[in-house]
Amino acid sequence: DAKTTQPPSMDCAEGRAANLPCNHSTISGNEYVYWYRQIHSQGPQYIIHGLKNNETNEMASLIITEDRKSSTLILPHATLRDTAVYYCIWVGGGNMLTFGGGTRLMVKP
Amino acid sequence: DAGVIQSPRHEVTEMGQEVTLRCKPISGHDYLFWYRQTMMRGLELLIYFNNNVPIDDSGMPEDRFSAKMPNASFSTLKIQPSEPRDSAVYFCASAAGPPDGYTFGSGTRLTVV
Repeated sequence: DAKTTQPPSMDCAEGRAANLPCNHSTISGNEYVYWYRQIHSQGPQYIIHGLKNNETNEMASLIITEDRKSSTLILPHATLRDTAVYYCIWVGGGNMLTFGGGTRLMVKP
Repeated sequence: DAGVIQSPRHEVTEMGQEVTLRCKPISGHDYLFWYRQTMMRGLELLIYFNNNVPIDDSGMPEDRFSAKMPNASFSTLKIQPSEPRDSAVYFCASAAGPPDGYTFGSGTRLTVV
């Protein structure tokens, strides 16, 4: 089973960087790490994914450790609209995303 | 691009009735997924299709649930007969293929009374 470990909740001040950690110690060499978020009552939203190298897009940056056992999602300047549940996922087999509990990020003014 | 379109947005039905949820994936996406979300169990994958063919339905709770994808632009999830414990938000998602991310629809909130 493709399990990840994330803190259940985090707070971040508006305008500051939000750093969300994830452990995926059983990931293997060719499996991608994905990050999604779900704002209340909406469908999950894709943020970013990576394999080995760090990645950046218009939404966030993804830092993956060299051993690939953990990663950090960085929202560089968090806003109130970034308050959501953030899911770190890796695909263990087939093309199926299995969601865990995620991290509930609260951005505070 | 209108994204993944689900209908209806809300459905309230009586126990024992048949319920049909609908999904239109993004054009050109070869993968389609049905998820269910409840407070107790979180997001659960029910079934997924590749090129209209069901690949893995191990998440379908029981025989009351069935899903079809008659063509590349339409899928249904049917519950017959419905029970109160089926109350949940049902999401449809589509993807072009690995490693691209999924695009989710807005969901259908089902309430069975």
